[in-house]
Amino acid sequence: GAGVSQTPSNKVTEKGKYVELRCDPISGHTALYWYRQSLGQGPEFLIYFQGTGAADDSGLPNDRFFAVRPEGSVSTLKIQRTERGDSAVYLCASSPGIGYGYTFGSGTRLTVV
Amino acid sequence: AQTVTQSQPEMSVQEAETVTLSCTYDTSENNYYLFWYKQPPSRQMILVIRQEAYKQQNATENRFSVNFQKAAKSFSLKISDSQLGDTAMYFCAFFSVAGANNLFFGTGTRLTVIP
Repeated sequence: GAGVSQTPSNKVTEKGKYVELRCDPISGHTALYWYRQSLGQGPEFLIYFQGTGAADDSGLPNDRFFAVRPEGSVSTLKIQRTERGDSAVYLCASSPGIGYGYTFGSGTRLTVV
Repeated sequence: AQTVTQSQPEMSVQEAETVTLSCTYDTSENNYYLFWYKQPPSRQMILVIRQEAYKQQNATENRFSVNFQKAAKSFSLKISDSQLGDTAMYFCAFFSVAGANNLFFGTGTRLTVIP
């Protein structure tokens, strides 16, 4: 597609449940990023993929968070045993290379009740 | 570690007037990029303008321009002829070429354009 697509746009889940958030980047963009944005804050880095591999996962807050990109295109962010503090907007972005800036999706708003 | 500071949580401007949003950053690196992103209520982050640190000339994109002061580590955004559609959150962001390969964002400035 022409832009970065994220699904679902909104997700409400119960505390303790497992969720998956999907990101479909711009075709040909090798770099893919996940960010988390809490209310009133700037986006915070979670993980960066270069191709299929996670080049930097230092932003993942704990081992309940995991992300994959098995074919170097679509990525899935997985959150186990969700907690209310995980509620935020999860943004995905892709980039064709260093210094070009990122193209962001519209995000998934996750609400844990 | 890099830090990006946006000291103006909220600003407002009359339609057709000019407004400047401030951003300062801290880094020990010499090769980096700086960006301004706009985030309207739709949530999508939209790239407004980018600046390479090795370029002295300030970047310009139509009504948007920056004042990049490398020695002072300052990167302000000027919006000329403000339009109602400029109402949004604006985030300043830093990208290190040699360091962590990800954008580091400030906390944002909420801009309201008043008709």
